[in-house]
Amino acid sequence: DTEVTQTPKHLVMGMTNKKSLKCEQHMGHRAMYWYKQKAKKPPELMFVYSYEKLSINESVPSRFSPECPNSSLLNLHLHALQPEDSALYLCASSQSLADSYNEQFFGPGTRLTVL
Amino acid sequence: AQKVTQAQTEISVVEKEDVTLDCVYETRDTTYYLFWYKQPPSGELVFLIRRNSFDEQNEISGRYSWNFQKSTSSFNFTITASQVVDSAVYFCALRKSNNAGNMLTFGGGTRLMVKP
Repeated sequence: DTEVTQTPKHLVMGMTNKKSLKCEQHMGHRAMYWYKQKAKKPPELMFVYSYEKLSINESVPSRFSPECPNSSLLNLHLHALQPEDSALYLCASSQSLADSYNEQFFGPGTRLTVL
Repeated sequence: AQKVTQAQTEISVVEKEDVTLDCVYETRDTTYYLFWYKQPPSGELVFLIRRNSFDEQNEISGRYSWNFQKSTSSFNFTITASQVVDSAVYFCALRKSNNAGNMLTFGGGTRLMVKP
């Protein structure tokens, strides 16, 4: 299995809702990432997990809460989002953070709309 | 500071034309990695190639080829005999070596439209 899967594909939520995005990979990768991508812009890194521990938080607001329950799963919990948080949320994984295995493989993304 | 510039925001070609996507980068590191990703309308970023700074050999993979020129800090991507399925946004990215976070600096992307 050489893919990263993300659910749901699309999500519409109100500003008071709580929802979660899910990402899964079965490639044995030990590093996983969340990115946010606005229209016509490159992806922006949000979080990096390495061996199930949070390695990097790029000053992301606390209304986004990541969780890595095991080496194959990465969640992003959403609460009290703003309309400007509407974007494509991409998950990625790489074998590790080491130089030799650093190409990241991306999932298809969740397109989030906050009303 | 690192920076990746893709000066071409949009390119439109007719099928079977060759097209080159430019990528220029800035870094103070002597060791680094460069990547190209393709993002079709479906949204997924597809990994195309990784090149480390010590390997200046050009690479060819089918209709794709990459020209890495360290002297001009460029890592250009050429598609030969373009096809409609090549229509996508292409991102060039730079990673520092010894970067504990494996953080990529992306260029702004080039939208390629291949018309039949």
